[in-house]
Amino acid sequence: GENVEQHPSTLSVQEGDSAVIKCTYSDSASNYFPWYKQELGKRPQLIIDIRSNVGEKKDQRIAVTLNKTAKHFSLHITETQPEDSAVYFCAALPGGSNYKLTFGKGTLLTVNP
Amino acid sequence: DAGVIQSPRHEVTEMGQEVTLRCKPISGHNSLFWYRQTMMRGLELLIYFNNNVPIDDSGMPEDRFSAKMPNASFSTLKIQPSEPRDSAVYFCASSRTVRTYTDTQYFGPGTRLTVL
Repeated sequence: GENVEQHPSTLSVQEGDSAVIKCTYSDSASNYFPWYKQELGKRPQLIIDIRSNVGEKKDQRIAVTLNKTAKHFSLHITETQPEDSAVYFCAALPGGSNYKLTFGKGTLLTVNP
Repeated sequence: DAGVIQSPRHEVTEMGQEVTLRCKPISGHNSLFWYRQTMMRGLELLIYFNNNVPIDDSGMPEDRFSAKMPNASFSTLKIQPSEPRDSAVYFCASSRTVRTYTDTQYFGPGTRLTVL
């Protein structure tokens, strides 16, 4: 089955700096890669996603890049703010499944004022 | 729209007791998912319903776990008997269709279960 590795597990940055979180996946047929943000005690919320026919997607201060050859994708947050502090999860949808997302273990991002 | 609703938000019980978690999906969503989140294993899919029918329960850890969806607006996850290793946050999620590729899974606020 699909395996998703996420790094780093914790990340601390200064307000205004950029943050990058990386994920690798094992199933070359995976075709959909969402990123979820989970604030402490809250529900995971989709913040951005990318499909396998696209190499990069941007939404204001967040962007995701996908390298299908290397089987990795990354979340980029620019001009970080304290409210960006949360746990971020990447996920991959295997090519043989309509719904069974495989999640990474999460990255705790702390943005220091 | 209120989003996915779960109850209770917190549950503390003793080993051996029955626990029932409840979920109300977003109106009009045909697919419902139950996930478990732990530090060790992260987010894991337990069971998936489509149009109220259980389609994939391969993630249900053992016979102590059962789930039902009697109608389009209500689902339950039951643990009987509960064990300390069941302590986790249980999320319910729903989506408009089964195709996660095109239809986002929206998560509920979760139920934090502690089994003593």
